[in-house]
Amino acid sequence: KNEVEQSPQNLTAQEGEFITINCSYSVGISALHWLQQHPGGGIVSLFMLSSGKKKHGRLIATINIQEKHSSLHITASHPRDSAVYICAVTAYTGNQFYFGTGTSLTVIP
Amino acid sequence: KAGVTQTPRYLIKTRGQQVTLSCSPISGHRSVSWYQQTPGQGLQFLFEYFSETQRNKGNFPGRFSGRQFSNSRSEMNVSTLELGDSALYLCASSLEAGLNTGELFFGEGSRLTVL
Repeated sequence: KNEVEQSPQNLTAQEGEFITINCSYSVGISALHWLQQHPGGGIVSLFMLSSGKKKHGRLIATINIQEKHSSLHITASHPRDSAVYICAVTAYTGNQFYFGTGTSLTVIP
Repeated sequence: KAGVTQTPRYLIKTRGQQVTLSCSPISGHRSVSWYQQTPGQGLQFLFEYFSETQRNKGNFPGRFSGRQFSNSRSEMNVSTLELGDSALYLCASSLEAGLNTGELFFGEGSRLTVL
């Protein structure tokens, strides 16, 4: 049983397209993180949120606590956005930290 | 401002050996957390340290342990290595404890191969 589910697993988009990646979770959380991992392993934190919506450049993250769902949107996608996007949650119970399996995004010029 | 530094970056060990990995957090950060990433299991949480105390622990056997020093640098140790321990081990630092108080800053990872 996975506490965090992401969809889609793989996504190919044309440059300029609007992209949405979804994350659903089954545990009570105090925070949700969106992470980006490029080939080679380095992970960058994109957002940490516990309610509402955050925006940074072309990236937007939203969370609906009642529905236990979050989305990551990329507007005007670019080939440099190609990476794996990972959703992670900090659970109330035991202060555990759970990861989704990631969404592999490829943006074609 | 220097980022999170992990050493060594690559290492090869044989079954039954033990290994120690090091993580130096960003200056001023007091929380260090550790993660294992494998192709089969993905990313999994190992443990978090804050002010030299382990705050929480993931679902890993006792062979996996860690500690944090007074300067916030952290080490993790894996004893009696198994083939399945081959993985990328990542650490992350943040200002405060709890993995819900601020952004996490990740190191580049230590890639362990067990033969």
